[in-house]
Amino acid sequence: DAGVIQSPRHEVTEMGQEVTLRCKPISGHNSLFWYRQTMMRGLELLIYFNNNVPIDDSGMPEDRFSAKMPNASFSTLKIQPSEPRDSAVYFCASIQLATSTDTQYFGPGTRLTVL
Amino acid sequence: DAKTTQPPSMDCAEGRAANLPCNHSTISGNEYVYWYRQIHSQGPQYIIHGLKNNETNEMASLIITEDRKSSTLILPHATLRDTAVYYCIVRVPGTASKLTFGTGTRLQVTL
Repeated sequence: DAGVIQSPRHEVTEMGQEVTLRCKPISGHNSLFWYRQTMMRGLELLIYFNNNVPIDDSGMPEDRFSAKMPNASFSTLKIQPSEPRDSAVYFCASIQLATSTDTQYFGPGTRLTVL
Repeated sequence: DAKTTQPPSMDCAEGRAANLPCNHSTISGNEYVYWYRQIHSQGPQYIIHGLKNNETNEMASLIITEDRKSSTLILPHATLRDTAVYYCIVRVPGTASKLTFGTGTRLQVTL
């Protein structure tokens, strides 16, 4: 298995531009999570999906952030318009819920820089 | 999820055992202890988890005290590649599945 795949790995954009981050979870996993990591705030959960349905989006900073999961093998996190304070590493993770181990598998992350 | 407390940093000589403590005094009966680590510039990686019995796998051992208020992750023979931030998390599996990462322990393995 290729693991959780994220793209792009690095993104540099200018303030005000739209940014779309992509994630392909591990095949067969039914829950997907988006996290953000900064030096100041550490790892924060933004939103997670169960069976493609958003369950908890309380961590989404504001309306500029949106996430979708149109099918079990793909999810996007969109920031529009982007701001310099959105600069961070964004991780996607997936899990096969209801297994005994219940462990999350993380992707390599997307490093976003907003100038 | 119960709150955990970990030392901010630790050092360990290569080849020696690294013992990383975690306090979780408010853990509830159905919460498990999970350990993840994050090597620089990578996503967090699952290491091990347990409820009340000691656990061992190919990566590490987990020792949970009888009252379950604390635990220790043991890397039996630390290598330079084990240098990372180690996170202790307590949660109920199979529920909201949300992982709440604290500040973790930064383990530096040295020659």
